Amino acid sequence: AQSVTQLGSHVSVSEGALVLLRCNYSSSVPPYLFWYVQYPNQGLQLLLKYTTGATLVKGINGFEAEFKKSETSFHLTKPSAHMSDAAEYFCAVTLFPSGGYQKVTFGTGTKLQVIP
Amino acid sequence: EAGVAQSPRYKIIEKRQSVAFWCNPISGHATLYWYQQILGQGPKLLIQFQNNGVVDDSQLPKDRFSAERLKGVDSTLKIQPAKLEDSAVYLCASRDWAGPLRNTEAFFGQGTRLTVV
Repeated sequence: AQSVTQLGSHVSVSEGALVLLRCNYSSSVPPYLFWYVQYPNQGLQLLLKYTTGATLVKGINGFEAEFKKSETSFHLTKPSAHMSDAAEYFCAVTLFPSGGYQKVTFGTGTKLQVIP
Repeated sequence: EAGVAQSPRYKIIEKRQSVAFWCNPISGHATLYWYQQILGQGPKLLIQFQNNGVVDDSQLPKDRFSAERLKGVDSTLKIQPAKLEDSAVYLCASRDWAGPLRNTEAFFGQGTRLTVV
């Protein structure tokens, strides 16, 4: 069965500091991996995704993530935090069960606080 | 393009009452999902439609929850009767169907925040 583990339900960084949000996955087959961001009272917005090919994936708002198969990780980073990055971030993994229809499983989320 | 529309945005009901949520996916998207997001948790899939057929409803509490997508477009999710633990945000998402094993992005609506008192 597929699953996603996000380490740290709350992360605080200073404005301008490095952002690192951790995600580890469990999957018996090569996964497709996503990071979503959720601002207060909003739906989920896709930040970036990994399917195949290049393991370093760049997304919107300066975020990027690296797929490391040996570590079963897909950590999200941003070199310099901005106040507008304060939100909740969800890592997700998708597989294709029988029938070929995508099934997406989300982690429990990490709330990012940016301190001025 | 227009995004996924959900209504209402907020709903407060008493326990044992009924409630319904509506979702209008992005035009042409064959796949539609309903997720339940309890405060402090990640979204949990309740039901997945492909056109008007159910693909996965393994985590839908069928004794009280029901969902339909009669014409393969709009969808409604109903809870009857509601319990206190149903308080959550209910998210609808849709995805274009690009064929088996083809990965496409899911687009989410803003959600309906349900409070059961």
